Amino acid sequence: GAVVSQHPSWVICKSGTSVKIECRSLDFQATTMFWYRQFPKQSLMLMATSNEGSKATYEQGVEKDKFLINHASLTLSTLTVTSAHPEDSSFYICSASARGPTGELFFGEGSRLTVL
Amino acid sequence: GIQVEQSPPDLILQEGANSTLRCNFSDSVNNLQWFHQNPWGQLINLFYIPSGTKQNGRLSATTVATERYSLLYISSSQTTDSGVYFCAVPAWGGSQGNLIFGKGTKLSVKP
Repeated sequence: GAVVSQHPSWVICKSGTSVKIECRSLDFQATTMFWYRQFPKQSLMLMATSNEGSKATYEQGVEKDKFLINHASLTLSTLTVTSAHPEDSSFYICSASARGPTGELFFGEGSRLTVL
Repeated sequence: GIQVEQSPPDLILQEGANSTLRCNFSDSVNNLQWFHQNPWGQLINLFYIPSGTKQNGRLSATTVATERYSLLYISSSQTTDSGVYFCAVPAWGGSQGNLIFGKGTKLSVKP
């Protein structure tokens, strides 16, 4: 299957700072990547769709100024949590499909963010 | 929107036992995926199965799209099978990116 990698796996930051999470497709090009969020002991929820070369599409209720997404190349999407607060603490997972938006989705390892 | 329900929510097995996990969905879908989330949080793709039956080692899955359910079979369970199993279907249209996940089945396999 396709390989999607995230970095960092763990990050702890102080309230008010910004944190950047990278998502890379290692063995395929992805014009579209997807960012999910998972709260403890809960399921995954789509936050936004990252589109290479254009603006991201955010799901209802997700603050686009809080969660900045940049998809500058066909293999890299970044999620920046700006002015992080403790309620932003969560597990963030990116995903992509090697066969376009209708293909099987593969997920990165996830990034666990803790905001103190 | 489409609803995805998984059962049972929790399952405890003795090593070597077999199990069946179920996923019901409320509307027609053109695809379905099963994942295993390991204790470190990583989602491992198990099956991409819009219909029919697939097998991969000790795991197999069957989706009956017309009846809106899918089953995941785990045979001869091992402690490494522990974790949470999710099924997910596309929220709308053909776009696979917006997956609606069930709440998962938490499996614990005891030695």
